[in-house]
Amino acid sequence: QIQLQQSGPGLVKPSQTLSLTCAISGDRVSSNSAVWNWIRQSPSRGLEWLGRTYYRSKWYNDYALSVKSRITLEPDTSKNQLALRLTSVTPEDTAVYYCARQDSQTWDFDHWGQGTLVTVSS
Amino acid sequence: NFILTQPHSVSESPGRTVTISCTRSSGSIASNYVHWSQQRPGSPPTTVIYEDDQRPSGVPDRFSGSIDSSSNSASLTISGLKTEDEADYYCQSYDGSNEWVFGGGTKLTVL
Repeated sequence: QIQLQQSGPGLVKPSQTLSLTCAISGDRVSSNSAVWNWIRQSPSRGLEWLGRTYYRSKWYNDYALSVKSRITLEPDTSKNQLALRLTSVTPEDTAVYYCARQDSQTWDFDHWGQGTLVTVSS
Repeated sequence: NFILTQPHSVSESPGRTVTISCTRSSGSIASNYVHWSQQRPGSPPTTVIYEDDQRPSGVPDRFSGSIDSSSNSASLTISGLKTEDEADYYCQSYDGSNEWVFGGGTKLTVL
């Protein structure tokens, strides 16, 4: 049974870095049949895909243009987890952040983390 | 990127059938698969339709999906509505240049 467990602070100050972790059980972050995504949700922007990482003999990352200059996804195979870092945050980055697994056969977002509400405020 | 446009809200009575549309602003709706998710308050989305018209195991056959090239849209149809179907529904599709696009979501009220 695949489970994604998110952790990280719920409050970040403007201009600082948002850091979240997604611990994976029941699958491997280096799996050749999965893609690991971060998605956020806010009332103003709805569901917004932020980026993905996946391993196919080497690591690949793709990022949304809207955050490309500020985002990094870092897989950690020793801990079997995925980290999100988003720099220079503003109140517009306030949202519920989700990690989500995608099956690379169906491209279905088939497993999600529980979500983390991150508020950007001083 | 293209935009996926959904109606903000729909409502229907229990036992009836409702259809939620998802219209693609540019490019062909048929060029990339459309997936549909259901989200209840306080929970992450769960898939009800993938690859345009496929149901994951455990999703009732009351849920069905289709695409219509003439209107450049995808549709989610729920028949035999139950109060438990009340939720937000989102379509999503791949833009072909390494990004995923979500629709704005449709709030389904079953009253």
